[in-house]
Amino acid sequence: GAVVSQHPSWVICKSGTSVKIECRSLDFQATTMFWYRQFPKQSLMLMATSNEGSKATYEQGVEKDKFLINHASLTLSTLTVTSAHPEDSSFYICSARDSPPDTQYFGPGTRLTVL
Amino acid sequence: EDQVTQSPEALRLQEGESSSLNCSYTVSGLRGLFWYRQDPGKGPEFLFTLYSAGEEKEKERLKATLTKKESFLHITAPKPEDSATYLCAVQGGGSNYKLTFGKGTLLTVNP
Repeated sequence: GAVVSQHPSWVICKSGTSVKIECRSLDFQATTMFWYRQFPKQSLMLMATSNEGSKATYEQGVEKDKFLINHASLTLSTLTVTSAHPEDSSFYICSARDSPPDTQYFGPGTRLTVL
Repeated sequence: EDQVTQSPEALRLQEGESSSLNCSYTVSGLRGLFWYRQDPGKGPEFLFTLYSAGEEKEKERLKATLTKKESFLHITAPKPEDSATYLCAVQGGGSNYKLTFGKGTLLTVNP
């Protein structure tokens, strides 16, 4: 149980294009999902908290107009990187909160490379 | 502000050589302390949640313990497949369920 999927697992795009990443909780409903990015050999950095049916809450320093988050259902959240640039290249990971017991389960991650 | 410090940053063990990883934390109203395992290029895999001082949980060769200031992840007779980065995270009372992660401990178990 408690499986979270992400799609795509990797994507390569040209600078200036937009990329959408999907995060799904497969066997539970998640009122809250989280989006992280991770740089090589570093820990996870929280980007935003996504609550179903409401606007996402972004961490300080994260551009909300660049990283658009939609949490339209209890099993799906999407992250759209708009006008991507090479500095946006990173490993993006989502998690979904299963409640109870308030545990975050993580997806397998999406490797984004912007050329 | 919640803080998590993990030590050591890296640990090399021989197969069968038991050891412990440390996670020191400061948090306003601990809601839970979490241990995850992360393999290269993958998302973290949930291991344990600890809620209060004195609590212990076990899974195969892993045992997690919790005090008011730190948590330990004990690895008994590790195998090469236990090699991974182990992440510790805390969830504070006023955090809206956000996790604050430590930088992790990279464990390598040599055969």
